Amino acid sequence: EAQVTQNPRYLITVTGKKLTVTCSQNMNHEYMSWYRQDPGLGLRQIYYSMNVEVTDKGDVPEGYKVSRKEKRNFPLILESPSPNQTSLYFCASSSDRTPYEQYFGPGTRLTVT
Amino acid sequence: AQSVTQPDIHITVSEGASLELRCNYSYGATPYLFWYVQSPGQGLQLLLKYFSGDTLVQGIKGFEAEFKRSQSSFNLRKPSVHWSDAAEYFCAVGASNDYKLSFGAGTTVTVRA
Repeated sequence: EAQVTQNPRYLITVTGKKLTVTCSQNMNHEYMSWYRQDPGLGLRQIYYSMNVEVTDKGDVPEGYKVSRKEKRNFPLILESPSPNQTSLYFCASSSDRTPYEQYFGPGTRLTVT
Repeated sequence: AQSVTQPDIHITVSEGASLELRCNYSYGATPYLFWYVQSPGQGLQLLLKYFSGDTLVQGIKGFEAEFKRSQSSFNLRKPSVHWSDAAEYFCAVGASNDYKLSFGAGTTVTVRA
């Protein structure tokens, strides 16, 4: 089954404790992206990657890091989480033939206390 | 830069009634337009897309949307809603020169029996 998986689905952590949210897709997609969803703001792009070793900032990259060492994986790293990073996070992927038709993961709900 | 406005935060509709969700976009060139649906606890799923050609596009689950360039709108419609249509709906616009999607804030649809 074609899918995007994220782990963990739920995470409660404390300020300053480094964490990684994993994202993996099995569709051999070139393009991957991370979004955060906040009430009244819709989805905002954090980082995206056009292919392996190619990443770039989205609209709200501050406080986040990403890497793309393999085509299927695109982890999101919070080196020092803060409460304003409490949010619902989505990973998405798409083929470079249909880049706008993004497949979304189920989401990761992060709470930083 | 492109942007999307969804004027309605929340809409309540009776089962079997028609539904229309509004979307207005801002973009200097021909936009790529999308509607996504997010069911409770799920990721986003693509409902339909517009790139060019016929301004009335059909999507999944019985939805359709009409592109009106003169009004910078891409409203989503369904003739008869089902209880399973209760969800949050996002309009998005893509720029023709990159893979970036900009999302509106979303409209939550409640279906009453």
